[in-house]
Amino acid sequence: DTEVTQTPKHLVMGMTNKKSLKCEQHMGHRAMYWYKQKAKKPPELMFVYSYEKLSINESVPSRFSPECPNSSLLNLHLHALQPEDSALYLCASSQRTGFGIQETQYFGPGTRLLVL
Amino acid sequence: SQQGEEDPQALSIQEGENATMNCSYKTSINNLQWYRQNSGRGLVHLILIRSNEREKHSGRLRVTLDTSKKSSSLLITASRAADTASYFCATDPRGNNRLAFGKGNQVVVIP
Repeated sequence: DTEVTQTPKHLVMGMTNKKSLKCEQHMGHRAMYWYKQKAKKPPELMFVYSYEKLSINESVPSRFSPECPNSSLLNLHLHALQPEDSALYLCASSQRTGFGIQETQYFGPGTRLLVL
Repeated sequence: SQQGEEDPQALSIQEGENATMNCSYKTSINNLQWYRQNSGRGLVHLILIRSNEREKHSGRLRVTLDTSKKSSSLLITASRAADTASYFCATDPRGNNRLAFGKGNQVVVIP
């Protein structure tokens, strides 16, 4: 199984709402990632989890709160978002074989988020 | 900072033709990857080329890497309508899987 799944596929939320994005993989990968992608732009890294611990936070605003409950799951909790946060949110995973070894990242299909 | 930049950014070709796109980067790398993204969907890994490799093939894909020029190219031979997608190169300058993607090339293959 080389699939990364993400739910929901689409999400519309108001600026006062609280919502969560979910990501799941069953490849035994120990690194998981959240990316944000605006239209016609490349993905931008937000967070990296390595062995269920947050290892990289690319100065993401606190209204985005990641969580890694176990090695297969990755959540992104959203609260008080702004319209400019509307984007495609992509989750990815990789094996995490070690520092300095660039790995293939496997991406989910993304959640398309619209903040009104 | 953006590590990769592709040129050209938009390419429209007839089915059966070859498509070539380029990527340049700014820092030294260990590897460079190419990913494909179909419209509004997740990215799919295509190929990884290591810094000590000059050329790599995978099916209809051919990737070259010139570390002296800090550039890479992706060639898709005998293109198909299904190859219509955006193609991104990605580098990992700090070696911690902190991928930095290039701007991307939009390829449209006309049947």
